[in-house]
Amino acid sequence: DTAVSQTPKYLVTQMGNDKSIKCEQNLGHDTMYWYKQDSKKFLKIMFSYNNKELIINETVPNRFSPKSPDKAHLNLHINSLELGDSAVYFCASSRKGTLQWEKLLFGSGTQLSVL
Amino acid sequence: QKEVEQNSGPLSVPEGAIASLNCTYSDRGSQSFFWYRQYSGKSPELIMFIYSNGDKEDGRFTAQLNKASQYVSLLIRDSQPSDSATYLCAVPGANNLFFGTGTRLTVIP
Repeated sequence: DTAVSQTPKYLVTQMGNDKSIKCEQNLGHDTMYWYKQDSKKFLKIMFSYNNKELIINETVPNRFSPKSPDKAHLNLHINSLELGDSAVYFCASSRKGTLQWEKLLFGSGTQLSVL
Repeated sequence: QKEVEQNSGPLSVPEGAIASLNCTYSDRGSQSFFWYRQYSGKSPELIMFIYSNGDKEDGRFTAQLNKASQYVSLLIRDSQPSDSATYLCAVPGANNLFFGTGTRLTVIP
């Protein structure tokens, strides 16, 4: 199946732990993203990579570190987890080109709960 | 950061009615606008985009853009219970989409 797949779907962990979320797309897309959706459903960009290169790094604590080993993968590592990190994290990808890159295809999301 | 504002709702309409969802944006230079639908517990999916003033129709969905007034709307005709979801308006920035907070729509059978 062609898709954006991210794992795990649910992540429950204690404060202070380090965790990773993985994302892979087999669509041949050039750009991948991490978005955070809070409890009020506000979807906010965190990072964007184009062909393994970081192009957006919004105001995100440096406890969050993205890694793109190749253009099909974008992982998110979070150090020293805090209560406020609890949210749904979505990976997304898109093609290049005007009126193409805006058509994001999202993964199914990772519900992170920090206790 | 571009600002996109939506009424969070909830907006309730009876089945078969027209649902009207509105979005205003702050950047007069914005050229294109996107509507994503998000079912509860699922990921957002693109349903419509518009970049010219006026209306764009796709099945039961119509996107309307008024650049002078800086608003874009989504009309859903003959609303169905399966249309119940949160609708997110999005505006492109330099390299990413800025999303509104979404409007939660409930279609009552």
